[in-house]
Amino acid sequence: KAGVTQTPRYLIKTRGQQVTLSCSPISGHRSVSWYQQTPGQGLQFLFEYFSETQRNKGNFPGRFSGRQFSNSRSEMNVSTLELGDSALYLCASSLQGLGAKNIQYFGAGTRLSVL
Amino acid sequence: KNEVEQSPQNLTAQEGEFITINCSYSVGISALHWLQQHPGGGIVSLFMLSSGKKKHGRLIATINIQEKHSSLHITASHPRDSAVYICAALVPARQLTFGSGTQLTVLP
Repeated sequence: KAGVTQTPRYLIKTRGQQVTLSCSPISGHRSVSWYQQTPGQGLQFLFEYFSETQRNKGNFPGRFSGRQFSNSRSEMNVSTLELGDSALYLCASSLQGLGAKNIQYFGAGTRLSVL
Repeated sequence: KNEVEQSPQNLTAQEGEFITINCSYSVGISALHWLQQHPGGGIVSLFMLSSGKKKHGRLIATINIQEKHSSLHITASHPRDSAVYICAALVPARQLTFGSGTQLTVLP
């Protein structure tokens, strides 16, 4: 069974641009959650999608958005990039989502650098 | 003050030593995860606990809900255990709140 796949692995953008990151969950998993990891703030929860619906959102500005498709693949978009958005972005998938206390399976992450 | 506190931040051990990493939380939780992150960023979920104790190989995780405390133990540590260990609390709002991580280095 294939694991969680995130693309691209590395990305370089400039301030003001927008970026879209992709996450393909493990087959059969309906929940995808997204996280930002920076040296200063550590890991922080962005949002969770389950069956194409956003179930919960962390404390991030509206420039951070996401969506989930009918095949459970998810995309995360960041608009008007700022230097502080440079981070490792991780997604995780699970069968029933965070609220069901499922094991989370993480992807390898996308490392975004904003210049 | 962070809702989830980990200690120690850094830990260096000799191969074979018994290791304990602690995690305390100040909010009500429904479960607690222990994660392992290797250089390069990949994260592996080690345990998810809502009560008691779980064991997998040389790893043991315990949680005391009343005391709002969890521990991760590694017996007979090995250099390949060197990684960052992160605890994450599942709060009722269905979010994961993370500790700052413990950098473990096991020397041969």
